[in-house]
Amino acid sequence: DTGVSQDPRHKITKRGQNVTFRCDPISEHNRLYWYRQTLGQGPEFLTYFQNEAQLEKSRLLSDRFSAERPKGSFSTLEIQRTEQGDSAMYLCASSSKEGAWGGYTFGSGTRLTVV
Amino acid sequence: AQSVTQLDSHVSVSEGTPVLLRCNYSSSYSPSLFWYVQHPNKGLQLLLKYTSAATLVKGINGFEAEFKKSETSFHLTKPSAHMSDAAEYFCVVSSLSGGYNKLIFGAGTRLAVHP
Repeated sequence: DTGVSQDPRHKITKRGQNVTFRCDPISEHNRLYWYRQTLGQGPEFLTYFQNEAQLEKSRLLSDRFSAERPKGSFSTLEIQRTEQGDSAMYLCASSSKEGAWGGYTFGSGTRLTVV
Repeated sequence: AQSVTQLDSHVSVSEGTPVLLRCNYSSSYSPSLFWYVQHPNKGLQLLLKYTSAATLVKGINGFEAEFKKSETSFHLTKPSAHMSDAAEYFCVVSSLSGGYNKLIFGAGTRLAVHP
């Protein structure tokens, strides 16, 4: 296990379609985070999981967005009825409880383009 | 609430000259602060972190940052820029929320290095 993996790397979809992204964290990390990064901006927090429990959701996460981490391992982020404003880089990160204060390990992200 | 402000959106230096990327933070308690770097089409990489130990923090690739509480600053420096340093740099503060820490990113500073 060499790091946080995200799939796919790139996704182009038509407006109104649903998309799902996957994140595989570092195996011993029980904490998982999703961020969104739009062009020219820093990453913005979306949601946080501790094991399988989703403990916080940002107001940025509208009803069209849903995230799961069913077995406390990998996580999925689904966007329903995509809009052009959803175009962004979606970043996943993980940390252990002990390591959380030392920063997260980020994946390379999934770049979503809604046309 | 915790926040960071990166004072320059773009910085341009010549190879071999010093680098200074400025960051001011706002925090209601003693913060943990980080600098992350993002190269094109790559994930976020942790450069260095301050977690209330030594105020001068050394990171990877010759970068260092100094925590100055009186100035609420955490500027990133490097004595001599290399072409490979060209990237986007993010100053990050850790926000304690609901028993876990959440990373709050600045808007980023794009560093260009010229021959």
